[in-house]
Amino acid sequence: DAGVIQSPRHEVTEMGQEVTLRCKPISGHDYLFWYRQTMMRGLELLIYFNNNVPIDDSGMPEDRFSAKMPNASFSTLKIQPSEPRDSAVYFCASSPSTSRPEQFFGPGTRLTVL
Amino acid sequence: AQRVTQPEKLLSVFKGAPVELKCNYSYSGSPELFWYVQYSRQRLQLLLRHISRESIKGFTADLNKGETSFHLKKPFAQEEDSAMYYCALGSGGYQKVTFGIGTKLQVIP
Repeated sequence: DAGVIQSPRHEVTEMGQEVTLRCKPISGHDYLFWYRQTMMRGLELLIYFNNNVPIDDSGMPEDRFSAKMPNASFSTLKIQPSEPRDSAVYFCASSPSTSRPEQFFGPGTRLTVL
Repeated sequence: AQRVTQPEKLLSVFKGAPVELKCNYSYSGSPELFWYVQYSRQRLQLLLRHISRESIKGFTADLNKGETSFHLKKPFAQEEDSAMYYCALGSGGYQKVTFGIGTKLQVIP
C-alpha cells in the first residue's frame, strides 16, 4: 500500500497563475482532509470531505481557493490566481471512519509562488 | 473556538534524560487528544491518542481536564526520538482536528 499519494511533490509558479494540487486517498477511507503548513501558523485545516461531500470548508482562506472530490479516489485543491503568500506545504490526509479517526498523511506538496 | 498551544518550538535534551513536551488545549466540548510525530524525511503519523491509554515507543500522555493539558512524556530520551511533535485536538465527531504549531525535539548524544 503506497498510502496517501500527492502530486506534484514540488511546484514553483509565478504570481497570478493557477495551481492544482492532487491527492489520492487510501482506498476505503471515508474522510479526506487538506491542510496547509507554514512556519508562522503551523498546520491549518483547510477543508475536509466525508464520502466525497465537503463537510467543513471554514478553513479555506478565500475565494481563490477551491477543492473538489469527484470520486472516492481523487481530490484536487486549486488556487486561482496564486499569490506569494500562498507559498507553503500542502498536505492531504485520509482517515478510515468516525470510529477510527487516525489520519494518514501524504508526503505533502511544497508550493512556491514567485 | 478550539485551540491547541504548544509553548516550546524547540526542546533540546540529552540522551537518557526525561522528556516532557507540553500541550494545552481550549475546547468547550468533550475533547479527543492526539500526538502526531514527523521524523526526518518521513510522513506525519499518529503517535498516540488519549483514549487508547497506551505507551508507544516509551511515550505516554495523560489527559488532565482540570488543567486542560495533554503533555507527552518519556522517562529516558533516545536519539531516534528527535523529530517534530504535534499535539492535536479532535472535534466534530473527532474528524475535525486542530493542530498545535509543533515542538521540535532534539536529543543530544
